[in-house]
Amino acid sequence: ETGVTQSPTHLIKTRGQQVTLRCSSQSGHNTVSWYQQALGQGPQFIFQYYREEENGRGNFPPRFSGLQFPNYSSELNVNALELDDSALYLCASSTPGGRGTGELFFGEGSRLTVL
Amino acid sequence: GENVEQHPSTLSVQEGDSAVIKCTYSDSASNYFPWYKQELGKGPQLIIDIRSNVGEKKDQRIAVTLNKTAKHFSLHITETQPEDSAVYFCAASIETSYDKVIFGPGTSLSVIP
Repeated sequence: ETGVTQSPTHLIKTRGQQVTLRCSSQSGHNTVSWYQQALGQGPQFIFQYYREEENGRGNFPPRFSGLQFPNYSSELNVNALELDDSALYLCASSTPGGRGTGELFFGEGSRLTVL
Repeated sequence: GENVEQHPSTLSVQEGDSAVIKCTYSDSASNYFPWYKQELGKGPQLIIDIRSNVGEKKDQRIAVTLNKTAKHFSLHITETQPEDSAVYFCAASIETSYDKVIFGPGTSLSVIP
């Protein structure tokens, strides 16, 4: 069974640039969530994708957007990068249902640094 | 919206002793309370969870308790081992159409051999 994989593992961008992060969900999982984890803090929910549509969103501005593909993989796009966007971005997949009561399987994250 | 608080932020125990982490949540509609362990350089991993219709749950050296009236829940680790050293997150979730899990700020646990 293949776990959740994310790429790239590390990247450095400058303010105003755009970034795309990628995630492959665990085998059999059709739901993908994205979380932002600032240094020393808990993960914060960005949004979730189910059946290629966004079906839930946290308190993040529209410059955070995403996609889910037919194979359930997903992308997180962030436009107009700000210094505060520096964080570990975690992707999590879960089993069908997505009713907030299931285990999240996290990848190891993509560490984004904005200079 | 939901808010989860967690204490202590750091905890250091001797190997073999017990560790207790306490959390509170704000939204009485929350009905699912998972605990995640995050080791350095890795993503969080679920270690135990509890639902609102249960007051206590055990899994070997780990136990969780839930007091819905007080909106408190706790993690208890007995006979701690060095490999228990990690950051632990409590979390709360409301049964909706999506997996919006609200995490606490984390507790860094160090088990001293």
